[in-house]
Formats: sequence, C-alpha cells, structure tokens
Amino acid sequence: GIQVEQSPPDLILQEGANSTLRCNFSDSVNNLQWFHQNPWGQLINLFYIPSGTKQNGRLSATTVATERYSLLYISSSQTTDSGVYFCAVDMIQGAQKLVFGQGTRLTINP
Amino acid sequence: DGGITQSPKYLFRKEGQNVTLSCEQNLNHDAMYWYRQDPGQGLRLIYYSQIVNDFQKGDIAEGYSVSREKKESFPLTVTSAQKNPTAFYLCASKRQAGRDIQYFGAGTRLSVL
Repeated sequence: GIQVEQSPPDLILQEGANSTLRCNFSDSVNNLQWFHQNPWGQLINLFYIPSGTKQNGRLSATTVATERYSLLYISSSQTTDSGVYFCAVDMIQGAQKLVFGQGTRLTINP
Repeated sequence: DGGITQSPKYLFRKEGQNVTLSCEQNLNHDAMYWYRQDPGQGLRLIYYSQIVNDFQKGDIAEGYSVSREKKESFPLTVTSAQKNPTAFYLCASKRQAGRDIQYFGAGTRLSVL
C-alpha cells in the first residue's frame, strides 16, 4: 500500500520561530489533508490540499503532486501551535480511505 | 451545531466483555470511518462505510465489528476477540467517497480493567 513519511519526527522551537514540516508519499494521491492533534486528542483539519498552495493566517501548505510531497509552514509560532501534526493521503486507485503518517510532534517553548 | 459526536469520552472494558462505541453525525455525510490510534503513533483504519447497509474492513479489522443501519450512525463494537483494545478511537465522516475533506469526532479512550 501507499507509504506516508513525515519529517522531522520531533521539533522544538522558541515562540516566534518559523517551521517547515514535510510529508512524502509513495504513490499518486486523490486527497491530502494536514491535521493538528491537540493535547485532548481532537484532530483539527488544517488544509485539504491534493495539489497547489493554500494559506490560512500564519499557516500555509504546498503540495507538489508530481514529486509526491507536501510541506506545512508555520510562521511566528505560538505556544498554542504545540501538538502533533499529521499528514494523511488517499490513493487515486482503490477505496478512498486515508493513510496517515506517523506525525511530527511540535513543541513551542515560551 | 453540525458535527460528529462520539460517546462516551472514556470507556473501560473488563476481560471477555464486548463494548460498543457510538458515532453519530448530522452533516448528512455518506461515508463514515473508524480509526484506532496507539500512543505516539498515527491513525490506522479499522472499518469504513461509503453507504448505508454497506461497510468494508480496513487494515486492522480483526476483533472489531460495525453496522450502518442509518446514514447518521456508525457504531463500533470492540469484541472480546480484540486482545489489545486499549487505544484512542476516532470516528470520521466525509460528504462522499472521492475528493472531499474528512472530518473527525473528539474520540473515545478505551482502557482495559
């Protein structure tokens, strides 16, 4: 099946820093989503981005489908950005079910 | 409010017991999903349903069962055959199969007594 790899696994930054999270996937995809999992476990949808670039406030994401990767940018980090960020994809062929990466744990220190 | 409601938030299971996790959505979505998350890991798909009265096994279906008798409801039963049920369970839905956003409920934490 499709493989999804996220890097780095852990990232520790000071408040105000910028960060880039990467998601590589092994096959053509129908759908790609970025999620933030908060300390209570809730998965918050950040971006639905099978291709192209989107921005939402301090967050932006870019997916280059032909090269099979996606990047999530967080600018001017705040402590509330801490948590785990997941990338999830589903394949063009077959049933539309999301396959998740292992996540990037982001810690923003004050 | 529109959304996905999972209950209960916390659940304890005794040895040999079946327990059922509830998932209800009022988004009028066709497709619904159940995922399991173990500590420090990503989510893995247990079962999914793209239409009422139909469902398919995901990657880790052994020891679990589901039903989809109504569009808005997709309960998950963790049976006694699931030997390691302690995990965080998340339900999701999306409007239709294909290119669309998948939304998640708040989850149920299941522990074994």
